[in-house]
Amino acid sequence: DQQVKQNSPSLSVQEGRISILNCDYTNSMFDYFLWYKKYPAEGPTFLISISSIKDKNEDGRFTVFLNKSAKHLSLHIVPSQPGDSAVYFCAASEVDFGNEKLTFGTGTRLTIIP
Amino acid sequence: ETGVTQSPTHLIKTRGQQVTLRCSSQSGHNTVSWYQQALGQGPQFIFQYYREEENGRGNFPPRFSGLQFPNYSSELNVNALELDDSALYLCASSSTSGELQETQYFGPGTRLLVL
Repeated sequence: DQQVKQNSPSLSVQEGRISILNCDYTNSMFDYFLWYKKYPAEGPTFLISISSIKDKNEDGRFTVFLNKSAKHLSLHIVPSQPGDSAVYFCAASEVDFGNEKLTFGTGTRLTIIP
Repeated sequence: ETGVTQSPTHLIKTRGQQVTLRCSSQSGHNTVSWYQQALGQGPQFIFQYYREEENGRGNFPPRFSGLQFPNYSSELNVNALELDDSALYLCASSSTSGELQETQYFGPGTRLLVL
């Protein structure tokens, strides 16, 4: 039972354009969401997060949007740069205080075309 | 500030053997979580250690066990290895203060191949 779904295994975007990565979840108990970026031979790197009490969080070129009613979140990267080429994982947790088990999606491979 | 480190980077074992993977948490972090990432999948939560005790466990059998040491470093032990245990094993450290846990930061992982 995949509680966090990333339905697009891959995405190609021209440099300078906007990249939009999508994520859906089924567990209504999730109330904290994160995006991680992963390069080959490295561990996932934390990118940005959002609490369920917000619908948007922005950090530089990265913005995460959360639609709780649709159980959907998205990561926008603008403008996209070649260094953004990586696998992006969406993750979610129930804030069971003191124990944040992360549930990950299967990832989306983003390729930025120069 | 030292990040999360894991050893070894790669390991080859045969079915039925036992393996120990090691993780040093980031400076200032007191909580360690372990994840298994199979090929083409996202990381799956194995268990978490806080104050040297298991603090939550995912859907993994008892032959997956762990330890946390007073310096907050951790070990993941897997007994009776099976072919399906071949995966990237990721360690993540975070800081838990009171009831709140902060963002988890991952190490580079140990790639285990079981033949």
